[in-house]
Amino acid sequence: EDQVTQSPEALRLQEGESSSLNCSYTVSGLRGLFWYRQDPGKGPEFLFTLYSAGEEKEKERLKATLTKKESFLHITAPKPEDSATYLCAVQARVSGGYNKLIFGAGTRLAVHP
Amino acid sequence: EAQVTQNPRYLITVTGKKLTVTCSQNMNHEYMSWYRQDPGLGLRQIYYSMNVEVTDKGDVPEGYKVSRKEKRNFPLILESPSPNQTSLYFCASSPRQGRNTGELFFGEGSRLTVL
Repeated sequence: EDQVTQSPEALRLQEGESSSLNCSYTVSGLRGLFWYRQDPGKGPEFLFTLYSAGEEKEKERLKATLTKKESFLHITAPKPEDSATYLCAVQARVSGGYNKLIFGAGTRLAVHP
Repeated sequence: EAQVTQNPRYLITVTGKKLTVTCSQNMNHEYMSWYRQDPGLGLRQIYYSMNVEVTDKGDVPEGYKVSRKEKRNFPLILESPSPNQTSLYFCASSPRQGRNTGELFFGEGSRLTVL
């Protein structure tokens, strides 16, 4: 069964304390892996797409990497404004040519001054 | 401003009273989708639409209906809501087809409570 698991569920960091969030997946026929940021009371906001193992994408203090079984979202020297829930989603090919998107439950990140 | 607009944002209703959550996007996107978000379960797809008059079931379609008569609008209909449909609902659209439909623009969400 296709599955996406994110860890940890919650993470508390001090400002400037770098860390990584994990997204592990088991899907047949990976088409792409996507990272989103979700602020309280808001819809998710798209961050990155990764297509193949070894690929990396960067945006400000965030860097996403991909292996054959997992993806990491590295946060370097985080600031309080990086506090949010980070969602990982995997796109898998299903019958009929449709690409199904499967979301993980997310990691709640809190960065304290 | 490019956006996906959902209404209502908050709704409390009673079991069995039909309701519609509207969704409109102003980006001329072909792909649109509805998700529900529940604690610990992540986002689960209810229905999606690849284009006008083309809709299909997602993972949790029971109790919901959709229609896509115009490109910009994709309403979600609950014919007879039940308490297990209490959830946070998101509409999303994508400018791309195929493998890139994972790059979604989401609305602000509609929090529905069914008593």
